[in-house]
Amino acid sequence: EVQLLESGGDLVQPGGSLRLSCAASGFIFSTYVMSWVRQAPGKGLEWVAAISGTGRDIDYADSVKGRFTISRDNSKNTVYLQMSSLGAEDTALYYCVKDMGAFGMDVWGQGTTVTVSS
Amino acid sequence: DIQMTQSPSTLSASVGDRVTITCRASQSISDWLAWYQQKPGKAPDLLIFKASHLQDGVPRRFRGSGSGTEFTLTITSLQPDDFGTYYCQQHNRYSRTFGQGTKVEIK
Repeated sequence: EVQLLESGGDLVQPGGSLRLSCAASGFIFSTYVMSWVRQAPGKGLEWVAAISGTGRDIDYADSVKGRFTISRDNSKNTVYLQMSSLGAEDTALYYCVKDMGAFGMDVWGQGTTVTVSS
Repeated sequence: DIQMTQSPSTLSASVGDRVTITCRASQSISDWLAWYQQKPGKAPDLLIFKASHLQDGVPRRFRGSGSGTEFTLTITSLQPDDFGTYYCQQHNRYSRTFGQGTKVEIK
């Protein structure tokens, strides 16, 4: 069974940092793009970042560029999202997603919650 | 960055109605468009990819069409289980953008 399990969400103070992890299973992890998508409370979906299967190609939403870093460890079937300079606008449920590009985002994790507040 | 604009923001329809949601891209995206359904408290589900291709297991009453900058998602006969929020999403190399969502309510 294909599964994505996020972890690392927490309550963090403004200006703080946090690292999210997503453990994948049930598919050949290294061959797929992985994305992070977030959803603020009561709001819509916002794509955050994507990383190619090799990790060589990466892109970010303008709202997080320069503050967030996506990475992956194919030996551990895990993708990460390092977040820094966090603000209230980063409060959201963060989903890890198996991203098939033109074929859509077909597998989503259950999400991990990040709350930025003093 | 490519912007995606959905309309309407909300709609209310009766069981059996034909429902159409529109998504417009700020520049041509060929057919690199997907549609998702999200129910409250759940992760989104992929419905359609490449503008018109139905994901495995998705009922055939969901239809996608369009190319370039204008796309539509049609539910040919609305069912009680079709409530939720629908999102379009474009992809361009490694960049993606979602539309703001259309909330569908059953009358």
